[in-house]
Amino acid sequence: DAGVTQSPTHLIKTRGQHVTLRCSPISGHKSVSWYQQVLGQGPQFIFQYYEKEERGRGNFPDRFSARQFPNYSSELNVNALLLGDSALYLCASSPWQGSDTQYFGPGTRLTVL
Amino acid sequence: TQLLEQSPQFLSIQEGENLTVYCNSSSVFSSLQWYRQEPGEGPVLLVTVVTGGEVKKLKRLTFQFGDARKDSSLHITAAQPGDTGLYLCAGHKTGANNLFFGTGTRLTVIP
Repeated sequence: DAGVTQSPTHLIKTRGQHVTLRCSPISGHKSVSWYQQVLGQGPQFIFQYYEKEERGRGNFPDRFSARQFPNYSSELNVNALLLGDSALYLCASSPWQGSDTQYFGPGTRLTVL
Repeated sequence: TQLLEQSPQFLSIQEGENLTVYCNSSSVFSSLQWYRQEPGEGPVLLVTVVTGGEVKKLKRLTFQFGDARKDSSLHITAAQPGDTGLYLCAGHKTGANNLFFGTGTRLTVIP
């Protein structure tokens, strides 16, 4: 079975631009979470979506938004990019909301110049 | 502010040596996970511990959950170069929808 997939793998943007990152969860998983991992640190929670609804949000500004589609795939959008948004963005899928077992994708490396 | 603090932050050892990584918090967790992450990849789940005092073994890796469910340790016996990577602990709180990750321990095993 395919694991969590993310696209693109790498992305370079300039300050002020916006970006859309995509994630497909493991087949049968209905929950998708997004995390930001700055170099040298542990991942920080951004959003969780379950059954197409936002179920949790971390301490991130409104420039960050996300959505989940009927097929449970998800998009993370970041507007007005800042240099500090440069990070590895990880998507994790789990079978249900509140599950402590999350399976991570390979991530999208975003560089903001 | 990180809920979970890991120590040491960096560890460089010779092949064959033993090591222990610690994950500490003042918060209680319903379960705790350990992940290993290699450069350019996402974290890979190694183990989940759910009961205070629980000890789990995975080949040369031994994981322990503290009695009060606030801390955990990972012990590696006879480290090998293939153990090199970033080790992350992550805690889950009952009713929460996310994991709280530790600060990470970067391990390098020198052949």
